[in-house]
Amino acid sequence: NAGVTQTPKFQVLKTGQSMTLQCAQDMNHEYMSWYRQDPGMGLRLIHYSVGAGITDQGEVPNGYNVSRSTTEDFPLRLLSAAPSQTSVYFCASSLFKDRNYEQYFGPGTRLTVT
Amino acid sequence: AQSVTQLGSHVSVSEGALVLLRCNYSSSVPPYLFWYVQYPNQGLQLLLKYTSAATLVKGINGFEAEFKKSETSFHLTKPSAHMSDAAEYFCAVSRRDFGNEKLTFGTGTRLTIIP
Repeated sequence: NAGVTQTPKFQVLKTGQSMTLQCAQDMNHEYMSWYRQDPGMGLRLIHYSVGAGITDQGEVPNGYNVSRSTTEDFPLRLLSAAPSQTSVYFCASSLFKDRNYEQYFGPGTRLTVT
Repeated sequence: AQSVTQLGSHVSVSEGALVLLRCNYSSSVPPYLFWYVQYPNQGLQLLLKYTSAATLVKGINGFEAEFKKSETSFHLTKPSAHMSDAAEYFCAVSRRDFGNEKLTFGTGTRLTIIP
């Protein structure tokens, strides 16, 4: 049971490039989400999914796309990277059985856009 | 709508002293409340959570928090600080209705332990 895994751990992009941050979980969780963490701003929700085929926007969705074709995977796509997207990105998953839940976080991807 | 305010972006305490990290929340429905800890260059780890059972919640590493509805607070405490407690701490709130489980985080409090 690996929990929530994210790849890559580090990435440097040039402005305008695109890339996909990978996230996978092996706990059969229904809910998955992407956050970005910036100094002094805590974690802000980018996109989330309540199950395969269902996604929705969070607080800061602009410049990012997601899809959820399987329960296990929830990739985050940067369409055209901008320096403002330099951040640490965390993926999380959770199960809402009996309304007793917690979110499990991946180790993060540190992205720099130059 | 829901929000979390963490008072004090940096807190320093001496080793062995009381740790108190403050969190106030705003929620239009009964909330779930969480404290997470983040060590340098690592992800977030759950310290404890309030999900409508006992109002005094005990977590890992000797931490506890008390849900006070009248004060809309969920402050985190530890009686005696240890050097290993140095980290950043995040309070988070979630709605308690199924289908709206989004977490809203505070901006974090960095805890420094003075030897």
